[in-house]
Amino acid sequence: EVQLVQSGAEVKKPGESLKISCKGSGYKFTKYWIAWVRQKPGKGLEWMGIIYPGDSDTRYSPSFQGQVTISADKSITTAYLQWGSLKASDTAFYYCARAVGSSGLLDFWGQGTPVTVPS
Amino acid sequence: SYELTQPPSVSVSPGQTARITCSGDALPKQYSYWYQQKAGQAPVLVIYKDNERPSGIPERFSASSSGTTVTLTISGVQAEDEADYYCQSADHSGTGVFGGGTKVTVL
Repeated sequence: EVQLVQSGAEVKKPGESLKISCKGSGYKFTKYWIAWVRQKPGKGLEWMGIIYPGDSDTRYSPSFQGQVTISADKSITTAYLQWGSLKASDTAFYYCARAVGSSGLLDFWGQGTPVTVPS
Repeated sequence: SYELTQPPSVSVSPGQTARITCSGDALPKQYSYWYQQKAGQAPVLVIYKDNERPSGIPERFSASSSGTTVTLTISGVQAEDEADYYCQSADHSGTGVFGGGTKVTVL
């Protein structure tokens, strides 16, 4: 059974750093892309970027380039999304999803990680 | 930046047909996908590669395309179909992009 299990809820202060995780299981982790998707409260889905754990090829949506870092450790089948300095506007739910192709369908999703950065 | 345009909302009575459009100028050259997101849940893929249904998705979900517009059709809408629906595709450089989402209300 394919599963993506994300790390738990985070409450951080502005300016703090953060790294959240997404552990894949039940499939060959290095053969599929992992995408990260943001959803602000009451708003729609936003494509942040994507990584291929097999070779760490990483591609960012222009809106998120330079704002976050996506990485993966294939030895522990885990992908990461990190911030160097959080802002209140980073408050959102963050989902990881398995992707077929670098811009393709997202067939399995994690449960989401809520990140709260009070202003 | 590239955008996929969806109507904000669609209302439909039970048993009727709901149609949700998604427009973008790269759609003729890129596959489109549709996701259903119920309140408080992660999105679920309902249509892939323009008009394929993953296993477990009811046959009442289908999709079609015409030029720069793709349409998700829910035939015989049921109360459980009330949700937000998002189209997804890629821009001309291959970067993924979502539409703004459409809230389907079952009257």
